Amino acid sequence: EAQVTQNPRYLITVTGKKLTVTCSQNMNHEYMSWYRQDPGLGLRQIYYSMNVEVTDKGDVPEGYKVSRKEKRNFPLILESPSPNQTSLYFCASRQWASWVETQYFGPGTRLLVL
Amino acid sequence: AQSVTQLGSHVSVSEGALVLLRCNYSSSVPPYLFWYVQYPNQGLQLLLKYTTGATLVKGINGFEAEFKKSETSFHLTKPSAHMSDAAEYFCAPGGSQGNLIFGKGTKLSVKP
Repeated sequence: EAQVTQNPRYLITVTGKKLTVTCSQNMNHEYMSWYRQDPGLGLRQIYYSMNVEVTDKGDVPEGYKVSRKEKRNFPLILESPSPNQTSLYFCASRQWASWVETQYFGPGTRLLVL
Repeated sequence: AQSVTQLGSHVSVSEGALVLLRCNYSSSVPPYLFWYVQYPNQGLQLLLKYTTGATLVKGINGFEAEFKKSETSFHLTKPSAHMSDAAEYFCAPGGSQGNLIFGKGTKLSVKP
């Protein structure tokens, strides 16, 4: 079954404690990205990756890092989380070649930073 | 700048009534347009998409949308609302970097 998985699904942490949210896809997609969803703001892209070792900033990259060492994985790293990073995070992937291809979303990770 | 506007953060309809959710996009975005639905406490599910070809696009659960280039619109409609349609709906044009540019969303409530 084609899917994007994220872990953990729920996370409560404290300010400044480094954390990583993992994302993995089994569809051999080149393009992967991270979004955050906040009430009244919709989803905003944090970072994206067009292929292995190729990453770039989205609209709201401050406070986040990513890496793409393998095609299937695209972890999101918060080196020093702050309360304003409390949000719902989605990972997504699709074939880069064409917009005809559907973008698949993971189930989401709900993060609370105290 | 690329942008998308969804008119109405909340829309309420009666069961059986027409559903109309409005979406307008800036002309600077590529003409690839998507509608996603998010049910309570769930992830995002693709409803329908316009990439090329026929401008009237049919999606899942009886929804459809029409791409109108002259109006830069991609409104979502359903002839008869069901209680199960209650959810948040996002219009998302494709951006030039391969990303999706999401609108702020419209929460649809369906009254019995």
